[in-house]
Amino acid sequence: DQQVKQNSPSLSVQEGRISILNCDYTNSMFDYFLWYKKYPAEGPTFLISISSIKDKNEDGRFTVFLNKSAKHLSLHIVPSQPGDSAVYFCAASAGRGATNKLIFGTGTLLAVQP
Amino acid sequence: GAGVSQTPSNKVTEKGKYVELRCDPISGHTALYWYRQSLGQGPEFLIYFQGTGAADDSGLPNDRFFAVRPEGSVSTLKIQRTERGDSAVYLCASSSVPMSALKTGELFFGEGSRLTVL
Repeated sequence: DQQVKQNSPSLSVQEGRISILNCDYTNSMFDYFLWYKKYPAEGPTFLISISSIKDKNEDGRFTVFLNKSAKHLSLHIVPSQPGDSAVYFCAASAGRGATNKLIFGTGTLLAVQP
Repeated sequence: GAGVSQTPSNKVTEKGKYVELRCDPISGHTALYWYRQSLGQGPEFLIYFQGTGAADDSGLPNDRFFAVRPEGSVSTLKIQRTERGDSAVYLCASSSVPMSALKTGELFFGEGSRLTVL
C-alpha cells in the first residue's frame, strides 16, 4: 500500500521555465511533508518542507503547496536551472509521537534542458 | 569528512552469505536511521536509533535483519542468509534531534551502500 505517490516517474523542462512536481498521499494523519533531492551516487538531501497547518512555503526558487482536502502537494521550481536535474522525492511524516517515520514516494526524475 | 559516511559503497555477495554494512553519522548526532531503497522505489524505513537503543525497528523486514549501535555513534546493519531480494541501496541518515522533534526535515543522508546478492 503506497501511502505517498508520485505518479510521474520523469519530467523534462526547459531552462528558465517552471518545473512542477506532484505528490499525492492517502494517510490523513500525515502532519508534515518534505521534498528531498537526489543526485546519482549521492544520498538524498533535504530541500523544503511544509507543515499541515500551512498551505504554502517558499524558499528562494522553491515553493511547496499543500492542498489537504485533495491530499495533494506540489513543488514548484522557478526558474528551473540545469543543476536542478535530479530525482525528487516527496516524503511525509507518519504521525505524532516519539517515532515519526518518513514515508517516501517513488521519486520523479527532473531533467532541465539548457 | 563532516557528512554521514557509509562503508562499503558497494558489496557483492552470494545468496546465503552474511553481510555487514557500516554507518558513521555526523559527529554529535544522537539520532540514526537506516533506510533501504530498492530499484525504482523511494527510501523505505528500516530502523531508528536514539542514542544506543533501537527506538523503532518496525521497518525491519524479517529476523534476518539486525542493527546495532553499541556506543551511540557508529551503527552496523547486519543481514544474515542474504537473499536476492535483499539487493538494494542501504541508506543511513542522522539528525541532531530526536525523531519526535524532526519538524525541520534535517535528516542528513549518507551516499548509501549498494548491496547486490547474486
